[in-house]
Amino acid sequence: AIQVTQSPTSLSASLGDRVTLTCRASQDINNKMAWYQQKPGEVPQLLIYYASTLQSGTPSRFSGSGSGTDFSFTISHLQSEDFATYYCLQGYSLFTFGSGTKLEIK
Amino acid sequence: QVQLEESGPGLMQPSETLSLTCTVSGFSLTSNGVGWVRQPLGKGLVWMGTIWAGGSTNYNSAVQSRLSISRDTSKSQVFLKMNSLQPEDTGTYYCARYYYSGIFDYWGQGVMVTVSS
Repeated sequence: AIQVTQSPTSLSASLGDRVTLTCRASQDINNKMAWYQQKPGEVPQLLIYYASTLQSGTPSRFSGSGSGTDFSFTISHLQSEDFATYYCLQGYSLFTFGSGTKLEIK
Repeated sequence: QVQLEESGPGLMQPSETLSLTCTVSGFSLTSNGVGWVRQPLGKGLVWMGTIWAGGSTNYNSAVQSRLSISRDTSKSQVFLKMNSLQPEDTGTYYCARYYYSGIFDYWGQGVMVTVSS
């Protein structure tokens, strides 16, 4: 099974900051990496798929990049509604979620 | 529009068999797969299994021996059955639509299942 290592586990940042999260897969996943946002008590929301494609409705301050085994997710200018937990998901060989990154207000 | 809704018992006892139903609308089960994802309280997301548009299934190896996913296309329903429940199976269970490029794009609201004696 493909393993996915997500980092950091938690991150404190301020409004307006630029933050980057990373996920590393244990093998090449052919860009089949997606990123989800989950707020407490809510359903995960798909933000980005195929490493860098924004899902309809995802604000342009969110972006994704990477290839092979290494992927990153960036929020360019943090807004208050962005403080949440973010998960990556590899969908190349079955599915594996990253362990999540909790983004908190500094 | 695409919708998924999970249903099932909220409280189970250890060793019992869990049965959950995911009722979908806005798409056909013969066109899109459906996956089940579990989230223990306060913890991360774990993929449990998927039934593909063609009807075949794949399961997470951690639960494969206890898990079965099936469907009734005429009723637009997907079923999860997991036996030998333990307290660590407690959590919120989501069903989600599989889309190409290896993603789940639409999710149900989830159903909370507690396993406790």
